[in-house]
Amino acid sequence: DAGVIQSPRHEVTEMGQEVTLRCKPISGHDYLFWYRQTMMRGLELLIYFNNNVPIDDSGMPEDRFSAKMPNASFSTLKIQPSEPRDSAVYFCASSELAGGGELFFGEGSRLTVL
Amino acid sequence: GENVEQHPSTLSVQEGDSAVIKCTYSDSASNYFPWYKQELGKRPQLIIDIRSNVGEKKDQRIAVTLNKTAKHFSLHITETQPEDSAVYFCASRWGANNLFFGTGTRLTVIP
Repeated sequence: DAGVIQSPRHEVTEMGQEVTLRCKPISGHDYLFWYRQTMMRGLELLIYFNNNVPIDDSGMPEDRFSAKMPNASFSTLKIQPSEPRDSAVYFCASSELAGGGELFFGEGSRLTVL
Repeated sequence: GENVEQHPSTLSVQEGDSAVIKCTYSDSASNYFPWYKQELGKRPQLIIDIRSNVGEKKDQRIAVTLNKTAKHFSLHITETQPEDSAVYFCASRWGANNLFFGTGTRLTVIP
């Protein structure tokens, strides 16, 4: 397996634009997580899915953020409209089990909002 | 929810010396404690983990200790090498829930 695949790796956009980040988890993993990483706040969980169903979205900052998982092999994180404070590295991760299962991270998507 | 605190935020050691990073957690039900290493510009990767029925676990130069009574766990790296330089994150979890990460420790090993 190629691991967790994220795209794009880098995104530079202007404030107010819509941003869509994509993730393909490892085949067979039932859990998918979206994290945001900044210097100030470290690794923050935004949302996670189990069998394509959102389980906990309490970390989603505000209504500008939304995430979907239409099938077991694909998830998106959308920011609309984007703001400069959304600039961060967004990681997608997957695991076989949420409890006690190793988290496999993608390479991350570095977002810069001007 | 769980609160994980990690110290120190930065750590510099001479090559060959040991490095220790400490974490505390708040939820006594937490039973899984992994450590992730993130090299500059790379993804976090699991290096070692420990479960609540074990007090210590070792893998070559890396060891993790857990004190459930005090609710703290530590990462120990012996004979540090320049390639150990990275950011290390501790985390905790109970049951089938999310991993709660510490804020990270930037370790620099000086050759």
